[in-house]
Amino acid sequence: EVQLVESGGGLVQPGGSLRLSCEASGFSFISYWMHWVRQAPGKGPVWVSRINGDGISTNYADSVKGRFTMSRDNAKNAVYLQMNSLRAEDTAVYYCTRGVDHWGQGTLVTVSS
Amino acid sequence: DIQMTQSPSTLSASVGDTVTITCRASQSISSWLAWYQQKPGKAPKLLIYKASSLQNGVPSRFSGSESGTEFTLTISSLQPDDFATYYCHQYNTYPYTFGQGTKLEIK
Repeated sequence: EVQLVESGGGLVQPGGSLRLSCEASGFSFISYWMHWVRQAPGKGPVWVSRINGDGISTNYADSVKGRFTMSRDNAKNAVYLQMNSLRAEDTAVYYCTRGVDHWGQGTLVTVSS
Repeated sequence: DIQMTQSPSTLSASVGDTVTITCRASQSISSWLAWYQQKPGKAPKLLIYKASSLQNGVPSRFSGSESGTEFTLTISSLQPDDFATYYCHQYNTYPYTFGQGTKLEIK
């Protein structure tokens, strides 16, 4: 069974940093692009970033480019999202996804003073 | 960025009805479109991928179709569990984008 479990969310002040983690199991992790998608309260999902199987190629939404960095550790079956210079508008539930078909349960990031 | 225009934003229907939700892409996305169902406090659940392929385990009353850049999700014989919010999602070109959502309510 495919499982994706996110962690690392919490309350952070504007300008602060946070690192999200997503642990994957139940599939050949290295074979898949992995993504982060976020959803602000009461809003629709918004794609944030993606990384290819060997971790060489990454892409980001313009809204996070230069502030967020996505990485992966295939030995640990994990992906990460390092979020710096956080803003109030980054407040959202952050989901780790395997392609389009499997999503984690999400982790809430709140940026507020 | 590719804009996904989803309609209607709200839909009221009764158990047993058949409903249709539409998404129009601002440019060609081939068939790289997914439909999701989301319930409050839960992650989106994949229903349809590649415009018309039914995800494993999803009831056959859900179906997807396409005509050019217009995509349709049809739910036949609505069940009580189907009342939720639905999103379309294009994954042809990054930044990948989502529709604004359709909230399906009980009439």
